Amino acid sequence: QKEVEQNSGPLSVPEGAIASLNCTYSDRGSQSFFWYRQYSGKSPELIMFIYSNGDKEDGRFTAQLNKASQYVSLLIRDSQPSDSATYLCAVFSGGGADGLTFGKGTHLIIQP
Amino acid sequence: SAVISQKPSRDICQRGTSLTIQCQVDSQVTMMFWYRQQPGQSLTLIATANQGSEATYESGFVIDKFPISRPNLTFSTLTVSNMSPEDSSIYLCSFPTVNTEAFFGQGTRLTVV
Repeated sequence: QKEVEQNSGPLSVPEGAIASLNCTYSDRGSQSFFWYRQYSGKSPELIMFIYSNGDKEDGRFTAQLNKASQYVSLLIRDSQPSDSATYLCAVFSGGGADGLTFGKGTHLIIQP
Repeated sequence: SAVISQKPSRDICQRGTSLTIQCQVDSQVTMMFWYRQQPGQSLTLIATANQGSEATYESGFVIDKFPISRPNLTFSTLTVSNMSPEDSSIYLCSFPTVNTEAFFGQGTRLTVV
């Protein structure tokens, strides 16, 4: 059974600070890792994806992957109130026709 | 990037009835996925729909309850049959890109009363 674990939160961060979101996964053969942002009542939208160990930066967002520890994280620098949303970690394990396995999401609140 | 149009965006249905959700992609895609997101929960994969073959269902989901059609490479439907209040969820179609990320339709918010 493939599992993706996230702390459901809410995680409260002051505006301008760094928000750190964490995710662990059970399938050691997982290949691709994704962070989605979901506003209430909306579909998930892709923020970042990462394949290789290390850091990947895109604007205010940095994804970090450690395959040995089966751990992936998302850092949001200079947090803005508009970053308040639920962040979903998703994992692709390959095997042909598999879809993504999603965590339950972390609810992030940026306090003005 | 490709665009997915999903409809209806929301519906309120009587228990025991069925609802068919449609997804149209503006380009050809090999695989399409259908997910369910129950209130306060994350996304759960229902099935994978390939054109020209039977859909592949995940554990806990069966074809009689969630029949899927995939008549061509740009279109798919999911039917939620014999609905009960427990089927109240958001249903999402998606397709993977070359990076295996998923692009999602706008979602269908279903309420069964």
